[in-house]
Amino acid sequence: GAVVSQHPSWVICKSGTSVKIECRSLDFQATTMFWYRQFPKQSLMLMATSNEGSKATYEQGVEKDKFLINHASLTLSTLTVTSAHPEDSSFYICSARGAQSSYNEQFFGPGTRLTVL
Amino acid sequence: AQKVTQAQTEISVVEKEDVTLDCVYETRDTTYYLFWYKQPPSGELVFLIRRNSFDEQNEISGRYSWNFQKSTSSFNFTITASQVVDSAVYFCALRDWTGNQFYFGTGTSLTVIP
Repeated sequence: GAVVSQHPSWVICKSGTSVKIECRSLDFQATTMFWYRQFPKQSLMLMATSNEGSKATYEQGVEKDKFLINHASLTLSTLTVTSAHPEDSSFYICSARGAQSSYNEQFFGPGTRLTVL
Repeated sequence: AQKVTQAQTEISVVEKEDVTLDCVYETRDTTYYLFWYKQPPSGELVFLIRRNSFDEQNEISGRYSWNFQKSTSSFNFTITASQVVDSAVYFCALRDWTGNQFYFGTGTSLTVIP
């Protein structure tokens, strides 16, 4: 149980376009979802936290107008990178936590590798 | 402030050697959780272990073992008889009691040479 999927697993886009990444909890209801970004050879950095039906809370330094997060259902959160630029190229990982999670556990998705040309 | 330090950025060992990955953490919370994750080249985080702050028992799982010492705020990870498949980046992480905040270390890249 507790499987989180992400789609797509990788995406290449042109500079200036927008890209949407989906994060789904497959076998549980995720009341809270988290989005992380990982640059090459670096650690994971939390970008934002979203609760179902509420606006996302962004970490300091993360542009909310550039990284749009929607958590409209208990099984789906989306991250849209608007007007993507090469510096947005990164590995994006989501995690999800359910209302019934033991230990307030977060379960991580497999990640989405974004390359902006 | 919460912080996780993995001082070893890269380690190379020859197959069958033992290797220990160090992790030192900082927190003022009394309740917290410590984790180790493996990240192979594919990128997916593989959960290895979770430890809560009240359980200082060391744990062994096959070739893996963990040494949690609150007195030194360390949570070290040892791989015995390393194998090539162990090559990956390993992250130590601290999570607060609410489950809202994960603090990841910078990772240790392990290369096991055949």
